[in-house]
Amino acid sequence: DVKVTQSSRYLVKRTGEKVFLECVQDMDHENMFWYRQDPGLGLRLIYFSYDVKMKEKGDIPEGYSVSREKKERFSLILESASTNQTSMYLCASSPRDGTNTEAFFGQGTRLTVV
Amino acid sequence: AQSVTQLGSHVSVSEGALVLLRCNYSSSVPPYLFWYVQYPNQGLQLLLKYTSAATLVKGINDFEAEFKKSETSFHLTKPSAHMSDAAEYFCAVRDQAGTALIFGKGTTLSVSS
Repeated sequence: DVKVTQSSRYLVKRTGEKVFLECVQDMDHENMFWYRQDPGLGLRLIYFSYDVKMKEKGDIPEGYSVSREKKERFSLILESASTNQTSMYLCASSPRDGTNTEAFFGQGTRLTVV
Repeated sequence: AQSVTQLGSHVSVSEGALVLLRCNYSSSVPPYLFWYVQYPNQGLQLLLKYTSAATLVKGINDFEAEFKKSETSFHLTKPSAHMSDAAEYFCAVRDQAGTALIFGKGTTLSVSS
């Protein structure tokens, strides 16, 4: 069974903390994504990566960075957490030649910044 | 640029009634379209996808969707709603680069007995 695993289901962090969200996939996919989900706004793409050490900004990259040192792992970093980054974060992966293939999602990390 | 619009943020039906969730897309290239479902506190699960092989696409749990190019629509239907169908549903289109998915804002489906 294919799997995308996010390291935490729930996180509570303080304003100004540096926060790491980790995601691992076991499908040998080239593409990995970080989305943010907010009520009424759907899913918005923060960053994606199409290869190790490669990254592209999505629609809302401000306040975030990413790291991909290994093919199976993609990390989202909040350099200095703020309350407006309280949200559900979803990681996904897909194969490189993926125009007609779906993205596979993790269970999500619900982050609260206080 | 690619985009999707889901009409109706909330749809309520009775158990056994027809489910219709609307999705319209905008795409500068032949679109690849997807419907996902999200149950409370879970990730997204694929219901079905359109990849140009057939305009009527069947998915899991008796859901289906019809691609209509003339109407730029990809509406999701199910003949008879079940209580377990209560969830949030997202329509998505593959971006122009063929990499990321672009999502609609979602439709919450409520099913009453």
